[in-house]
Parts: sequence; structure tokens; C-alpha cells
Amino acid sequence: KAGVTQTPRYLIKTRGQQVTLSCSPISGHRSVSWYQQTPGQGLQFLFEYFSETQRNKGNFPGRFSGRQFSNSRSEMNVSTLELGDSALYLCASSSTMLAGAFNEQFFGPGTRLTVL
Amino acid sequence: ELKVEQNPLFLSMQEGKNYTIYCNYSTTSDRLYWYRQDPGKSLESLFVLLSNGAVKQEGRLMASLDTKARLSTLHITAAVHDLSATYFCAVYSGGGADGLTFGKGTHLIIQP
Repeated sequence: KAGVTQTPRYLIKTRGQQVTLSCSPISGHRSVSWYQQTPGQGLQFLFEYFSETQRNKGNFPGRFSGRQFSNSRSEMNVSTLELGDSALYLCASSSTMLAGAFNEQFFGPGTRLTVL
Repeated sequence: ELKVEQNPLFLSMQEGKNYTIYCNYSTTSDRLYWYRQDPGKSLESLFVLLSNGAVKQEGRLMASLDTKARLSTLHITAAVHDLSATYFCAVYSGGGADGLTFGKGTHLIIQP
């Protein structure tokens, strides 16, 4: 079974620009979560989508947004980029098909975003 | 707000030695995860612990969970260089969503 894929793997942008990152979950997984990883703040939860609906959101400004498509693929958008947005953005998918499932999350390789 | 604390944050040890990484969390949770991350790579799932007293082992790594103490441990037995990595514990926040709260990670270096 193919794993979680993320595109692009590397991205360089300048302050003020916007960026869109893409994530394709494991086949059959309907939940997609996004995380930001930085040396200073560590791994932080951004948001989670299930069946095209945002179910939960972390403590990030409104410049960070996302969406999920009917095929469970997800995109994350960051507008008006700031230097502090430089980070590794990780996407994770999980299966929530069964009640009581432990919803183990499988992570993709990440997108390394550098803001200059 | 759920807080997850790991210690130590940095550990240098010799091959063949045993050591334990600790993960404390602040509120009730029924799911705890351990992940491994190699430099420049993504997170690899190691263990999922779902109930009080759960113990799982894979090779030289063993993880346990005490939900009453809100404590999980990751024990390394007879360490080898290939286990050098950063190890994260993560706790499920609950509320019907799948967001995880991560500890800051333990950077483990195993020297010959």
C-alpha cells in the first residue's frame, strides 16, 4: 500500500507571498491532519480534515487554511508568508472507519518551506 | 490545555547500555504514541499504547503506559548505533478529532 505523499518536497518563497502544499493520504484513509515542525516550537498541530470538513484546528492564525477534496486529498494554504513560517510541514493520514479505532497516524515525508 | 513533557531532551549514551525516556502528560488521554525521526526525515510510528498497563516491544525498544500516573516510558535495551534518532511521544487530545500533541522530542545519540 502506498504511503502518504506530499508535494512539493521543497519550496522557497519570499515574505508576503502565498503558498499551497498538497497531501495525498493512504488509500482508504479519510482523515488528514497537518503539522508544522520548527526547531523552536517543535511539532504543532495545525488542523484536521475528515470527509471534506475541518474537524479540529490548532492555535494558528487565519493565514493558515486548508481544505479537503472528495478523494480525501488535502491542501494547505499559507497567505502573506512571514519569515517565521519557515518550517517542515507534515501531513498525516489515518483511518477512522471503525468506531473505537485508535486512529494511528501515518506521516508523509513533509514539505520543507523556506521563507526569505 | 494538554501539555506533553519529555525528558531528557538530549541523551548521549554508549552502545550496549540501557536507558529510559520519560513522557508525562497533563490531562486524561486514552492514546499515546511513540515516533522516531531521523535527521531530515519524516516521523516513523513505533508504538501505539491504548490502555493502562499496556506494554509493547519491538527489538531493543519497549514502551509502556501508566494512565493513572499519566506517564509513558520508552526503554532502550543494549543500545546500538542504529537507534540514534529523535524520539517523540504524542498524546491524543480527544474531542473527536485526530490532532496529536507532541512532546519536544528526545535527541538520542548512541556512540560506539
